[in-house]
Amino acid sequence: NAGVTQTPKFQVLKTGQSMTLQCAQDMNHNSMYWYRQDPGMGLRLIYYSASEGTTDKGEVPNGYNVSRLNKREFSLRLESAAPSQTSVYFCASTERGGESGYTFGSGTRLTVV
Amino acid sequence: SQQGEEDPQALSIQEGENATMNCSYKTSINNLQWYRQNSGRGLVHLILIRSNEREKHSGRLRVTLDTSKKSSSLLITASRAADTASYFCATGGGADGLTFGKGTHLIIQP
Repeated sequence: NAGVTQTPKFQVLKTGQSMTLQCAQDMNHNSMYWYRQDPGMGLRLIYYSASEGTTDKGEVPNGYNVSRLNKREFSLRLESAAPSQTSVYFCASTERGGESGYTFGSGTRLTVV
Repeated sequence: SQQGEEDPQALSIQEGENATMNCSYKTSINNLQWYRQNSGRGLVHLILIRSNEREKHSGRLRVTLDTSKKSSSLLITASRAADTASYFCATGGGADGLTFGKGTHLIIQP
Protein backbone atom coordinates (compact mmCIF):
# COMPACT_ATOMS: atom_id res chain seq x y z
CA ASN A 1 0.00 0.00 0.00
CA ALA A 2 2.80 2.42 -0.93
CA GLY A 3 0.64 4.89 -2.87
CA VAL A 4 2.93 7.54 -4.39
CA THR A 5 6.65 7.22 -3.81
CA GLN A 6 9.07 10.07 -4.43
CA THR A 7 12.85 9.98 -4.44
CA PRO A 8 15.01 11.53 -3.20
CA LYS A 9 13.52 13.11 -0.07
CA PHE A 10 16.21 15.78 0.18
CA GLN A 11 18.70 17.20 -2.31
CA VAL A 12 21.15 20.08 -2.43
CA LEU A 13 22.33 21.22 -5.85
CA LYS A 14 24.75 23.84 -7.03
CA THR A 15 23.51 26.38 -9.54
CA GLY A 16 23.74 24.90 -13.02
CA GLN A 17 23.68 21.27 -11.95
CA SER A 18 21.00 18.92 -13.25
CA MET A 19 18.93 16.28 -11.54
CA THR A 20 15.85 14.14 -11.97
CA LEU A 21 13.13 13.73 -9.37
CA GLN A 22 11.49 10.35 -9.50
CA CYS A 23 7.86 9.51 -8.83
CA ALA A 24 6.05 6.18 -8.98
CA GLN A 25 2.49 5.19 -8.08
CA ASP A 26 1.06 1.72 -7.60
CA MET A 27 -2.66 2.55 -7.76
CA ASN A 28 -3.07 2.14 -11.53
CA HIS A 29 -3.95 5.82 -11.85
CA ASN A 30 -4.00 7.44 -15.27
CA SER A 31 -3.25 11.02 -14.28
CA MET A 32 -0.07 12.21 -12.61
CA TYR A 33 1.11 15.67 -11.58
CA TRP A 34 4.13 17.60 -10.39
CA TYR A 35 3.60 20.54 -8.03
CA ARG A 36 5.97 22.86 -6.24
CA GLN A 37 5.20 24.39 -2.87
CA ASP A 38 6.78 27.63 -1.73
CA PRO A 39 6.13 29.54 1.51
CA GLY A 40 3.12 31.79 1.15
CA MET A 41 2.42 30.58 -2.40
CA GLY A 42 0.47 27.40 -1.90
CA LEU A 43 0.96 24.64 -4.46
CA ARG A 44 1.53 25.46 -8.10
CA LEU A 45 1.27 22.99 -10.94
CA ILE A 46 4.44 22.46 -12.97
CA TYR A 47 3.48 19.69 -15.40
CA TYR A 48 0.85 17.02 -15.65
CA SER A 49 0.23 13.82 -17.55
CA ALA A 50 -3.34 12.76 -18.25
CA SER A 51 -2.28 9.34 -19.44
CA GLU A 52 0.75 7.33 -20.45
CA GLY A 53 2.49 9.02 -23.36
CA THR A 54 1.03 12.50 -22.83
CA THR A 55 2.34 15.48 -20.88
CA ASP A 56 1.23 19.10 -20.64
CA LYS A 57 2.50 22.30 -19.10
CA GLY A 58 0.97 23.64 -15.95
CA GLU A 59 1.22 27.08 -14.37
CA VAL A 60 5.01 27.22 -13.83
CA PRO A 61 6.77 24.91 -16.36
CA ASN A 62 9.83 27.03 -17.19
CA GLY A 63 13.10 25.36 -16.27
CA TYR A 64 11.59 21.88 -16.03
CA ASN A 65 11.02 18.87 -18.26
CA VAL A 66 9.02 15.73 -17.58
CA SER A 67 8.82 12.17 -18.81
CA ARG A 68 5.91 9.81 -18.39
CA LEU A 69 7.98 6.66 -18.62
CA ASN A 70 5.02 4.28 -18.26
CA LYS A 71 1.73 4.26 -16.40
CA ARG A 72 3.46 4.05 -13.02
CA GLU A 73 6.30 6.53 -13.36
CA PHE A 74 6.46 10.27 -13.96
CA SER A 75 9.81 12.02 -13.59
CA LEU A 76 10.68 15.71 -13.32
CA ARG A 77 14.03 16.97 -14.61
CA LEU A 78 15.87 20.18 -13.85
CA GLU A 79 18.42 20.64 -16.63
CA SER A 80 20.24 23.62 -15.13
CA ALA A 81 19.15 24.31 -11.58
CA ALA A 82 18.66 27.89 -10.40
CA PRO A 83 18.20 29.25 -6.85
CA SER A 84 14.60 30.16 -7.78
CA GLN A 85 13.91 26.43 -8.05
CA THR A 86 14.56 25.94 -4.34
CA SER A 87 11.26 24.49 -3.21
CA VAL A 88 9.43 21.42 -2.03
CA TYR A 89 8.26 19.28 -4.93
CA PHE A 90 5.25 17.00 -4.74
CA CYS A 91 4.10 14.34 -7.11
CA ALA A 92 0.44 13.32 -7.12
CA SER A 93 -1.81 10.93 -8.96
CA THR A 94 -5.50 10.34 -9.41
CA GLU A 95 -7.88 8.14 -11.32
CA ARG A 96 -9.45 9.62 -14.43
CA GLY A 97 -11.75 12.46 -13.45
CA GLY A 98 -10.07 12.98 -10.09
CA GLU A 99 -13.27 12.87 -8.04
CA SER A 100 -11.82 10.45 -5.52
CA GLY A 101 -9.15 12.96 -4.64
CA TYR A 102 -5.48 13.11 -5.37
CA THR A 103 -2.87 10.97 -3.66
CA PHE A 104 0.32 12.84 -2.90
CA GLY A 105 3.84 11.67 -2.30
CA SER A 106 5.77 12.84 0.75
CA GLY A 107 7.76 15.39 -1.23
CA THR A 108 11.33 16.22 -2.25
CA ARG A 109 12.92 19.16 -0.49
CA LEU A 110 15.33 20.75 -2.98
CA THR A 111 17.82 23.49 -2.21
CA VAL A 112 19.80 25.15 -4.99
CA VAL A 113 22.83 27.11 -3.80
CA SER B 1 -2.72 31.75 -10.01
CA GLN B 2 -4.75 30.55 -7.02
CA GLN B 3 -8.40 29.77 -7.61
CA GLY B 4 -9.26 29.28 -3.95
CA GLU B 5 -8.30 31.49 -1.06
CA GLU B 6 -8.57 30.27 2.51
CA ASP B 7 -9.43 32.43 5.47
CA PRO B 8 -8.03 32.86 8.05
CA GLN B 9 -4.38 32.32 7.15
CA ALA B 10 -3.75 31.07 10.69
CA LEU B 11 -5.99 29.86 13.49
CA SER B 12 -5.13 28.84 17.04
CA ILE B 13 -7.74 27.23 19.30
CA GLN B 14 -7.92 25.11 22.44
CA GLU B 15 -8.25 21.36 22.22
CA GLY B 16 -11.88 20.37 22.23
CA GLU B 17 -13.10 23.53 20.52
CA ASN B 18 -14.44 23.63 17.00
CA ALA B 19 -12.36 25.04 14.14
CA THR B 20 -13.88 26.71 11.11
CA MET B 21 -11.98 27.59 7.95
CA ASN B 22 -13.35 29.30 4.89
CA CYS B 23 -12.52 29.15 1.22
CA SER B 24 -13.53 31.51 -1.55
CA TYR B 25 -13.08 30.80 -5.24
CA LYS B 26 -13.49 32.76 -8.43
CA THR B 27 -15.00 30.70 -11.24
CA SER B 28 -17.72 28.09 -11.53
CA ILE B 29 -16.82 24.64 -10.29
CA ASN B 30 -17.90 21.02 -10.58
CA ASN B 31 -16.63 20.19 -7.12
CA LEU B 32 -14.43 21.49 -4.34
CA GLN B 33 -12.00 19.45 -2.28
CA TRP B 34 -10.30 19.92 1.07
CA TYR B 35 -6.85 18.59 1.93
CA ARG B 36 -4.75 18.45 5.09
CA GLN B 37 -0.98 18.77 5.24
CA ASN B 38 0.96 17.90 8.33
CA SER B 39 4.33 19.58 8.75
CA GLY B 40 6.91 18.15 6.36
CA ARG B 41 4.45 15.75 4.73
CA GLY B 42 2.40 15.48 1.58
CA LEU B 43 -1.23 16.52 1.29
CA VAL B 44 -3.97 14.14 2.31
CA HIS B 45 -7.42 14.23 0.74
CA LEU B 46 -10.15 14.86 3.32
CA ILE B 47 -13.43 15.37 1.51
CA LEU B 48 -14.98 16.33 -1.82
CA ILE B 49 -18.24 18.22 -2.21
CA ARG B 50 -19.99 18.45 -5.56
CA SER B 51 -21.50 21.65 -6.90
CA ASN B 52 -25.04 20.31 -6.42
CA GLU B 53 -24.42 19.53 -2.75
CA ARG B 54 -24.78 22.05 0.05
CA GLU B 55 -23.33 20.09 2.97
CA LYS B 56 -21.33 16.95 3.51
CA HIS B 57 -20.09 15.15 6.60
CA SER B 58 -17.19 12.80 7.25
CA GLY B 59 -16.50 11.89 10.85
CA ARG B 60 -15.70 15.12 12.70
CA LEU B 61 -15.56 17.07 9.44
CA ARG B 62 -18.42 19.11 8.04
CA VAL B 63 -18.11 20.91 4.72
CA THR B 64 -20.56 23.39 3.29
CA LEU B 65 -20.70 24.86 -0.18
CA ASP B 66 -22.49 28.00 -1.32
CA THR B 67 -22.11 28.28 -5.08
CA SER B 68 -24.00 31.59 -5.17
CA LYS B 69 -21.33 33.14 -2.96
CA LYS B 70 -18.53 31.01 -4.42
CA SER B 71 -17.48 29.93 -0.95
CA SER B 72 -17.00 26.83 1.16
CA SER B 73 -16.31 26.19 4.80
CA LEU B 74 -14.63 23.34 6.64
CA LEU B 75 -15.66 22.71 10.24
CA ILE B 76 -13.65 20.39 12.47
CA THR B 77 -15.56 19.54 15.62
CA ALA B 78 -14.06 18.59 19.00
CA SER B 79 -10.53 19.38 17.83
CA ARG B 80 -7.55 17.28 18.88
CA ALA B 81 -3.83 17.99 18.99
CA ALA B 82 -3.43 15.70 15.97
CA ASP B 83 -5.57 18.12 13.92
CA THR B 84 -2.70 20.63 13.97
CA ALA B 85 -1.88 21.03 10.29
CA SER B 86 -2.41 23.24 7.25
CA TYR B 87 -5.70 22.90 5.43
CA PHE B 88 -6.17 23.66 1.74
CA CYS B 89 -9.19 23.95 -0.47
CA ALA B 90 -8.82 22.98 -4.12
CA THR B 91 -10.91 23.29 -7.24
CA GLY B 92 -10.63 21.86 -10.72
CA GLY B 93 -9.48 18.25 -10.64
CA GLY B 94 -9.85 17.26 -14.21
CA ALA B 95 -6.93 16.04 -16.24
CA ASP B 96 -5.29 19.47 -16.00
CA GLY B 97 -4.94 19.37 -12.27
CA LEU B 98 -6.24 20.89 -9.08
CA THR B 99 -5.72 24.54 -8.19
CA PHE B 100 -4.99 25.11 -4.51
CA GLY B 101 -5.39 28.02 -2.17
CA LYS B 102 -2.58 29.16 0.11
CA GLY B 103 -3.99 27.33 3.09
CA THR B 104 -5.06 27.88 6.69
CA HIS B 105 -2.52 26.91 9.33
CA LEU B 106 -4.42 25.42 12.28
CA ILE B 107 -2.80 25.05 15.70
CA ILE B 108 -4.58 23.12 18.44
CA GLN B 109 -3.37 24.17 21.87
CA PRO B 110 -3.40 21.41 24.54
